[in-house]
Amino acid sequence: DIQMTQSPSFLSASVGDRVTINCKASQNINKYLNWYQQKLGEAPKLLIYNTNNLQTGIPSRFSGSGSGTDYTLTISSLQPEDVATYFCLQHSSRPLTFGSGTKLEIK
Amino acid sequence: EVQLQQSGAELVKPGASVKLSCKTSGYTFSNYYMSWLKQMPGQNIEWIGNIYGGNGGTGYNQKFKGKATLTVDKSSSTAYMDLSSLTSEDSAVYFCARMGMTPFDYWGQGVMVTVSS
Repeated sequence: DIQMTQSPSFLSASVGDRVTINCKASQNINKYLNWYQQKLGEAPKLLIYNTNNLQTGIPSRFSGSGSGTDYTLTISSLQPEDVATYFCLQHSSRPLTFGSGTKLEIK
Repeated sequence: EVQLQQSGAELVKPGASVKLSCKTSGYTFSNYYMSWLKQMPGQNIEWIGNIYGGNGGTGYNQKFKGKATLTVDKSSSTAYMDLSSLTSEDSAVYFCARMGMTPFDYWGQGVMVTVSS
């Protein structure tokens, strides 16, 4: 199974800050990397698919990048409504595997 | 509008089985795969497996073979997951999620399963 190492586990930032979250795969996943946002008590929501494609309806302050084994989610200007836990998912090979999550809070 | 509506919370005894449902609307059920996922507090979300709405073809995470059985009812556009021989390790929130052009583009609201005597 491909292991996804996500960092940091916890992140505290101020409104307007640029925030980055990282995922490292245990092997090349060829950009088959999605990002999800999960607010407290809700189901996860797809933000970005295949590394850098913004899902319909997601604000443009969210972006993704990466290749090979290393991937990044960036929020260009943090907003209060971005408080959530963020997960990466590799779908390069079965079983599909998730990162451990990054809990993002506002300072 | 795509919607996935899951059944309500379950409290089940150890050793028992439970069947969870995921009723869909807003898209052609038979054209897509549906996945099931498990989320336990403090642990990574786990992919259990998926099933094709058209013919019921399945694929499972090896970890969940023998534990989970996925089925569909095309007539009602509903996916089901049976969990058997339940233990405390099966207490979790379970989600159904559609496999669209990318995995998990739409999710059900989740259902909490609690295994307790």
